[in-house]
Amino acid sequence: SQTIHQWPATLVQPVGSPLSLECTVEGTSNPNLYWYRQAAGRGLQLLFYSVGIGQISSEVPQNLSASRPQDRQFILSSKKLLLSDSGFYLCAWRTGGNSPLHFGNGTRLTVT
Amino acid sequence: RKEVEQDPGPFNVPEGATVAFNCTYSNSASQSFFWYRQDCRKEPKLLMSVYSSGNEDGRFTAQLNRASQYISLLIRDSKLSDSATYLCAISGGNKLVFGAGTILRVKS
Repeated sequence: SQTIHQWPATLVQPVGSPLSLECTVEGTSNPNLYWYRQAAGRGLQLLFYSVGIGQISSEVPQNLSASRPQDRQFILSSKKLLLSDSGFYLCAWRTGGNSPLHFGNGTRLTVT
Repeated sequence: RKEVEQDPGPFNVPEGATVAFNCTYSNSASQSFFWYRQDCRKEPKLLMSVYSSGNEDGRFTAQLNRASQYISLLIRDSKLSDSATYLCAISGGNKLVFGAGTILRVKS
């Protein structure tokens, strides 16, 4: 069966510090991969998605970036965090087409 | 107009009640539709996919109305454990867009 791993679960970082969140999927090949952010009390905002290695689509211009160095690995990065980057970051995968998304457990990021 | 809209609620209902949520979408080319459940401070979990002919899973019934561009979720015989935020998700191409969610509180 397929599983998705996301880490860390919680993170507290100072403003201006770098960020790297990692997500890996097991049990499937060539998944579509996604990064969402959920601000407190808000809906899910799509940040990036990828349909293949090295292919990244950005949905919202911001100081975040994403990379997909391997088929089942998706990384979210920032060079300098802002207070507004605080939120619940969720990685997700699906097989593509009209299939549903499956989420990792999420990373709760607090920028202080 | 937002791509996907939901009534934020909260819907406060007694145990055993029937409750229904709607979710409207703006893109008529949308191809697939889903309902997710999200518990407080947790990741969303797939509740059910929504098929053109409508589908049922136990106490939950989902329906799609393409003409009016909305999907619905009906929960019968509400349980305390149904208390959560219910998110609709609409897919077109590679993107899946979520509504902001509807809060359901079931009370004894």
